[in-house]
Formats: sequence, structure tokens, C-alpha cells
Amino acid sequence: DVKVTQSSRYLVKRTGEKVFLECVQDMDHENMFWYRQDPGLGLRLIYFSYDVKMKEKGDIPEGYSVSREKKERFSLILESASTNQTSMYLCASSLGRRPDEQYFGPGTRLTVT
Amino acid sequence: GEDVEQSLFLSVREGDSSVINCTYTDSSSTYLYWYKQEPGAGLQLLTYIFSNMDMKQDQRLTVLLNKKDKHLSLRIADTQTGDSAIYFCAESTSGTYKYIFGTGTRLKVLA
Repeated sequence: DVKVTQSSRYLVKRTGEKVFLECVQDMDHENMFWYRQDPGLGLRLIYFSYDVKMKEKGDIPEGYSVSREKKERFSLILESASTNQTSMYLCASSLGRRPDEQYFGPGTRLTVT
Repeated sequence: GEDVEQSLFLSVREGDSSVINCTYTDSSSTYLYWYKQEPGAGLQLLTYIFSNMDMKQDQRLTVLLNKKDKHLSLRIADTQTGDSAIYFCAESTSGTYKYIFGTGTRLKVLA
């Protein structure tokens, strides 16, 4: 059973703080993704990684960076949190073969005050 | 850019059929997916259809694809209260493992 875990379910941070969101998958998946989910906007891709140390910008990368030093771990970094980054953050992984099912973590609800 | 659209809400009575619709703009989509998100959880794949298919049935789920109109639908037969969730359609194209997700449809099943 594929498992994708995220370091926190709920997080409250102050404006300007540096925030780290961690994601770990246990199925040796090649691809990992970070999305944010906002009501009425669906899921929007922030960044994805198709290999260790490789990353590609998604649709809304501004204000975020990522790190993938090991295959199983993909971190999302908010360099200087702002209130408009208050959202639900979802991590996903996939094997990289068609059809390419994505496996999602439970999400981290981040509130920036 | 590519876009995937869904209506935001759908309410049905228990035992009725639910039909959730989705339109997409990318004509080079190869796979189209339906994901379900239950409260407090991540998304889980329900079913998918390859773009050269018109229909796919999987127990209570029927997926219809009209490629000409770029319209995808998910029919849930005999809808149960446990089907209450947000349903997302998504598409991917060859050459990338990125998805484009729709806005999600919140299905509410009334007892």
C-alpha cells in the first residue's frame, strides 16, 4: 500500500517566517508534486520533481521553492510566508508510467497570520 | 493555457444517480482521470479513461468521454451517503506527468 505522509496536518505561522513542509513517500516513486488547494480554484501545481535534485516549476511557483535531496522526500519551502499563502497544501507522488496514478498525502492546512 | 472546468456543487437524493460533468480545453489530452476527496483527506483515484475510449464502466461508476466536445462525465449509480465528497477531474498529456485538475465538484447526498 502506497503511503504518502506529510509532516504536519495543521500549521500556524507568522508573516515573514520561513516555513518548511515535508513530504515522504514509501514506494520508490520517481515523481513528486506539491499542490495548493483553494475553494473554487481546485488544485494548482506549485512545483514537481521527476528525479532527485531535479525540479520543474508548476503554475504558481512564486514565493515557493522546493528541495529533493533523496528520492523519497520532497520539501516545500516558503521563504517568507505571507497571508495569501494561507491554504491547504497537498503532496503527491507517482510512479511515472501511464496511466500515471498520483497518490496523495492527507494535506497540511497552513494558516499565516 | 490548458483549462479544466467543473460545476462547483451537486446535490442528489440517496439511491438516485449522480452525474458530474467536466470540460477541458487541451485536445492533446491522453488520459482523463476522476479523483475523490473525502473530508480531511487527500485525493484518491476513482477511475481513468484513455482518450481513444468513449466509455468505461467500473461497478457503480460510468465514465463517458466526448472527445469532439471535450466533455467528460462521471455517473455514480445508486448514490450513497458515503459518496458525499469532492470529485475532481484531471487530464494529462503525453510527454509530461503533470496533471491539470478541475475546480472540483462537491457532491452532497441527501438521505
